[in-house]
Amino acid sequence: GAVVSQHPSWVICKSGTSVKIECRSLDFQATTMFWYRQFPKQSLMLMATSNEGSKATYEQGVEKDKFLINHASLTLSTLTVTSAHPEDSSFYICSATVGGGGPSSIQYFGAGTRLSVL
Amino acid sequence: GQQVMQIPQYQHVQEGEDFTTYCNSSTTLSNIQWYKQRPGGHPVFLIQLVKSGEVKKQKRLTFQFGEAKKNSSLHITATQTTDVGTYFCAGTGGGNKLTFGTGTQLKVEL
Repeated sequence: GAVVSQHPSWVICKSGTSVKIECRSLDFQATTMFWYRQFPKQSLMLMATSNEGSKATYEQGVEKDKFLINHASLTLSTLTVTSAHPEDSSFYICSATVGGGGPSSIQYFGAGTRLSVL
Repeated sequence: GQQVMQIPQYQHVQEGEDFTTYCNSSTTLSNIQWYKQRPGGHPVFLIQLVKSGEVKKQKRLTFQFGEAKKNSSLHITATQTTDVGTYFCAGTGGGNKLTFGTGTQLKVEL
C-alpha cells in the first residue's frame, strides 16, 4: 500500500515553455501532498504544501505564479512550471501523507521528475 | 527557521565496517523520520521515532532519538553494498511540514 505515482519521470523542454508534473496517490486518498525540489547532491527543499480543494501553501522564496499547484481531487496534485528557464532545471519530487497530514504522518514519495530546460 | 544538520556529509567504508550518521536540529522536534535515497532514486521511508530517548532496530540498523528531542542517529552494523545511498533525517516541529536534514552519503567498497 501507500504507492505514489509521479509522471513524467524525465522531461526536456525548451526555455519559455510550461511543464506539468502529476502526482497521484494510487491506493489511498491524500488530502495533503507536498512538492519538493532537489539539486544534485543536496537535500530536499520543500516548495509548497498542496491541500485538496484549497490553495497551496508556498514556502518563503517560492514564486507561486511560477510554480502553479492544483490539488483538484483526493488522489491527484499537479505542479506546473510556467515559462521554464534553465535555472528551473532540477529534480522535483512529490509526496503524499497517509493519515490526515498531522505531525506524525509518514510521507510516501513519488519517483521524482527530472526536468531539464534547454 | 528550523535547520537540521547531518554529519558526516560523506562516508566511505569497507564492506563489513560499521557506519553512523548524526542528525541535529536547531529546535525541538515532535518526531524524527529517517529516509534512504538510492543514487538516482527517491527517498524511501525507513522509520519514525516519537518518544524522547527512543531506540528502534531494523535488522542491522539502529535508530535513536535524543532525550531532548533535538538530535538523532542512525547506526548500521556490518555494512553491505546494498546499504549504499544517502540517508536523510527529517523532523517536524509540530506542524505537518518535514524539514529534511542535509543528508549523509554512504559508499561501501568491497
